[in-house]
Amino acid sequence: EVQLVESGGGLVQPGGSLRLSCAVSGFTFSTYNMHWVRQAPGEGLVWVSRISRDGSSATYADSVKGRFTTSRDNAKNTLYLQMNTLRAEDTAVYYCVRDDGSPGDYWGQGSLVTVSS
Amino acid sequence: DVVMTQSPLSLPVTLGQPASISCRSSQSLVHSNGNTYLSWFHQRPGQSPRRLIYKVSNRDSGVPDRFSGSGSGTDFTLKISRVEAEDVGVYYCMQSTHWPPYTFGQGTKLEIK
Repeated sequence: EVQLVESGGGLVQPGGSLRLSCAVSGFTFSTYNMHWVRQAPGEGLVWVSRISRDGSSATYADSVKGRFTTSRDNAKNTLYLQMNTLRAEDTAVYYCVRDDGSPGDYWGQGSLVTVSS
Repeated sequence: DVVMTQSPLSLPVTLGQPASISCRSSQSLVHSNGNTYLSWFHQRPGQSPRRLIYKVSNRDSGVPDRFSGSGSGTDFTLKISRVEAEDVGVYYCMQSTHWPPYTFGQGTKLEIK
């Protein structure tokens, strides 16, 4: 069974940092591109980042470029999102998403990040 | 960036009746490889999104056949042949032809009348 389980969310002050993890199982992680997608409270879905199968290439939405870094450890079957210089507008549920040629065939349960003083 | 525009944004439907959601893109979603990367997702309240359709008209595994996707170029439609109670929630289209960024529509909230 394919599973994606995010962790690491929580409350952080503006300007602070947080690292999300997404532990996957049930498939060969290293053969899939992966994404992070976020959803602010009561709002729609917004793509954040994509990382290639081998981790050599990561792309970002303009809103997080230079502040967020996506990485992966294929030996540990884990995807990461390092979030720095967090702002109130980064408050959202962050989803880890698999890409089978089109993003989104599997989603994690989401991890809530709240940026507030 | 490709802008995805859905309509309607709110869709009250009677159980057993059909429903249709439109999604228009600001530029053609035909990729240079000939594929069109337009997907549809459904999100129930409090749940993660679930993909229903990929590449315009391909149903994901386990998706009931009352869901169908169609369209081409910049104009796409998700149809539900007979709405059931479990179909409530928000539907999103998303393009993955021209990235970054990948872009979603605003969402269409389906509710039962």
